[in-house]
Amino acid sequence: EDKVVQSPLSLVVHEGDTVTLNCSYEVTNFRSLLWYKQEKKAPTFLFMLTSSGIEKKSGRLSSILDKKELFSILNITATQTGDSAVYLCAVGRYGGSQGNLIFGKGTKLSVKP
Amino acid sequence: ETGVTQTPRHLVMGMTNKKSLKCEQHLGHNAMYWYKQSAKKPLELMFVYNFKEQTENNSVPSRFSPECPNSSHLFLHLHTLQPEDSALYLCASSLGQGVMVRERRDTQYFGPGTRLTVL
Repeated sequence: EDKVVQSPLSLVVHEGDTVTLNCSYEVTNFRSLLWYKQEKKAPTFLFMLTSSGIEKKSGRLSSILDKKELFSILNITATQTGDSAVYLCAVGRYGGSQGNLIFGKGTKLSVKP
Repeated sequence: ETGVTQTPRHLVMGMTNKKSLKCEQHLGHNAMYWYKQSAKKPLELMFVYNFKEQTENNSVPSRFSPECPNSSHLFLHLHTLQPEDSALYLCASSLGQGVMVRERRDTQYFGPGTRLTVL
């Protein structure tokens, strides 16, 4: 059965810390891996990764995919209280029906002042 | 900011009520989705529509009935729900199956959700 596992499930850090969130997957016909940030309600899109070893970066956030070891990491440097959210990882597959992303349970990040 | 809107944002209903959730996307997408998000569970895909045609029904009970009159609007009609149906219901949209680069279809944009409580 296809699955996406995120770790840790929750994390508390202080402002200025650097954090690494993990997402591992066991998915047949992998096509893409996506990261979302969910603060109150709507998950907002962060990155989509399809190729191994190519880092995607947006400000203090960066992510990389390892298709050999079947995982991705999301790094946040110099964390701020506004980074507090649940971070969701999802995987898209070839052969699945349109839009059939498999989501992990998320990592809840709390950044203390 | 969001190109996907949902109404209402909060809904409380009894088990015998009938209500509808509405979703509208302003992104020019052709695929729309309903998800259920319960505490401590991954997002669960419920329904998928591509160019107004339903392409996925993830074994959802018949008390949930979707409707997609056009590519910009999606409804979820609710009737005789159970307390365990209380959850956050999220709508999303993406590029549809007409897009040749399949990875581009994977990026879904979400609405703010409707927090549903069934008494």
